[in-house]
Amino acid sequence: GAVVSQHPSWVICKSGTSVKIECRSLDFQATTMFWYRQFPKQSLMLMATSNEGSKATYEQGVEKDKFLINHASLTLSTLTVTSAHPEDSSFYICSANREGANEQFFGPGTRLTVL
Amino acid sequence: AQKVTQAQTEISVVEKEDVTLDCVYETRDTTYYLFWYKQPPSGELVFLIRRNSFDEQNEISGRYSWNFQKSTSSFNFTITASQVVDSAVYFCALDTTSGTYKYIFGTGTRLKVLA
Repeated sequence: GAVVSQHPSWVICKSGTSVKIECRSLDFQATTMFWYRQFPKQSLMLMATSNEGSKATYEQGVEKDKFLINHASLTLSTLTVTSAHPEDSSFYICSANREGANEQFFGPGTRLTVL
Repeated sequence: AQKVTQAQTEISVVEKEDVTLDCVYETRDTTYYLFWYKQPPSGELVFLIRRNSFDEQNEISGRYSWNFQKSTSSFNFTITASQVVDSAVYFCALDTTSGTYKYIFGTGTRLKVLA
């Protein structure tokens, strides 16, 4: 158990468009989900913590208006990159916390390329 | 301050050699969890181990072993008889049980196992 999926697995878009990435916990309810960004050959950097039914908590330096996070249900969180630019090209990874489990369960990641 | 340091950026070994990946952490919390993840070229994080701060026993799982030493704040990972399939980036992570389950990742160590 504890499977997390992401959709799409990769996406290419034009500069100025918006892209939505979905993160789903398939076999458990996730009260908290996390969004990370990973640039090539770098570590995972936490962008925001998403709690079901409430506003996301963003890490310092992450633009709330650019990276919109919605956690509408206990199994789904979405990250929308608005007005994407080439510098937003990155690998985006979500994770989910299952109640009672002292660990996060990671999705397979979404590779975003902005042309 | 909480921090995870993986001083080894990249390591190359020849197949069948043993290799140790270092991880040093900083935290003021007395209760915390430490993790190791493997990230192959596909990008998906593979969970390897979780260790809580009260359990200092070393652990062995097949060719993998972990040495946790609170006295030196280290949680090192050894691969015995390395194989080409072990080539990946390995991340050490710290989670303090402050209720947020937020991970702090090290910068990762890229391991190349040469045939």
